[in-house]
Amino acid sequence: KQEVTQIPAALSVPEGENLVLNCSFTDSAIYNLQWFRQDPGKGLTSLLLIQSSQREQTSGRLNASLDKSSGRSTLYIAASQPGDSATYLCAVQGGIYNQGGKLIFGQGTELSVKP
Amino acid sequence: DGGITQSPKYLFRKEGQNVTLSCEQNLNHDAMYWYRQDPGQGLRLIYYSQIVNDFQKGDIAEGYSVSREKKESFPLTVTSAQKNPTAFYLCASSPAGGSYEQYFGPGTRLTVT
Repeated sequence: KQEVTQIPAALSVPEGENLVLNCSFTDSAIYNLQWFRQDPGKGLTSLLLIQSSQREQTSGRLNASLDKSSGRSTLYIAASQPGDSATYLCAVQGGIYNQGGKLIFGQGTELSVKP
Repeated sequence: DGGITQSPKYLFRKEGQNVTLSCEQNLNHDAMYWYRQDPGQGLRLIYYSQIVNDFQKGDIAEGYSVSREKKESFPLTVTSAQKNPTAFYLCASSPAGGSYEQYFGPGTRLTVT
């Protein structure tokens, strides 16, 4: 059974700090991995999608890496801002547990960036 | 604007009543999904549909039902058989099932008392 784990569960940093969020998964047979942002009481906003053949993706201050063989992904946020405060979720798709493309989610990392 | 809409944003019901959550998309996507989110837990798949007039159970389908009569619409009914229906419900869509990026709606928070 595919399991996705995110560490840490919560993180508080001062503004301007660079930070790394971690995601691990137990079955390396995935199609892709997505990172999402969720603000309190809101839906999910897709940040980055990394295909299984890719090693990393970048969007602005965000960089996500994927090491499929070790079952790990990291989301790097450069020069953090208070507006980055949210819960960050990673999700994997594919493999033998795939049901029409369902996403299997981690429990998220709640990030707080202090001014 | 292309996107996914869910209504209502908040829904309150008494125990024993069925309730239907709306999900509409104008992205021309074939695949649609319903997930449930509980505090401290990741999202879990309830039902999915890869094409009109076809849908499949996800991991936690008991007590729920869906229909897919139109490409743009995928309503979810929470029945009285669902033992713990209070949760945040999220609808998503993708161009097709399998390995495509999913896009999410704003969610409906259902409270049953």
